Amino acid sequence: DAKTTQPNSMESNEEEPVHLPCNHSTISGTDYIHWYRQLPSQGPEYVIHGLTSNVNNRMASLAIAEDRKSSTLILHRATLRDAAVYYCILRDDGYGQNFVFGPGTRLSVLP
Amino acid sequence: DGGITQSPKYLFRKEGQNVTLSCEQNLNHDAMYWYRQDPGQGLRLIYYSQIVNDFQKGDIAEGYSVSREKKESFPLTVTSAQKNPTAFYLCASFRTEAFFGQGTRLTVV
Repeated sequence: DAKTTQPNSMESNEEEPVHLPCNHSTISGTDYIHWYRQLPSQGPEYVIHGLTSNVNNRMASLAIAEDRKSSTLILHRATLRDAAVYYCILRDDGYGQNFVFGPGTRLSVLP
Repeated sequence: DGGITQSPKYLFRKEGQNVTLSCEQNLNHDAMYWYRQDPGQGLRLIYYSQIVNDFQKGDIAEGYSVSREKKESFPLTVTSAQKNPTAFYLCASFRTEAFFGQGTRLTVV
């Protein structure tokens, strides 16, 4: 399975943009890049995913490098509710694929 | 509403007992997963299933068993062979994105 590398922790001020990086130098051509976040004592929730092109949704934007070896999750205006652990995961869309989480990035948002 | 339901939310197990955690989904997803999370740690994959009557071991399958007799259901049994079962257990189903349940917190007493 291709691995991802994320910083252990990051801090942001409220109402400022946050850029969460993820490195995945061994990504294969059929791996999708997924982002999830987990609040304390809850199950993870889906944030965004993409394959090659940048993606936007109501929660965030995903910027994917041209060589696909790295990506960045962008929260446009951090709120206190965005404080969570953010996981970057690669998953091939084919049959039989598992879904492996790394340690993630713990984001703190300062008021 | 469609979703994934885990029960119970809290579970207490005596030493040497088997316990079964329930996971049900009405999203019509083929793929389902079980994870274990210890305090301050990430999620570790126990078992996963891509289709009814088929499942594969994840990274930490020892001491656990699963079944997938119906598409909607993927129960996890924590057996007495699992030496340190106290943890937060999460179930997920997947199509183009994963949906997680709210978890079961298992404590050995």
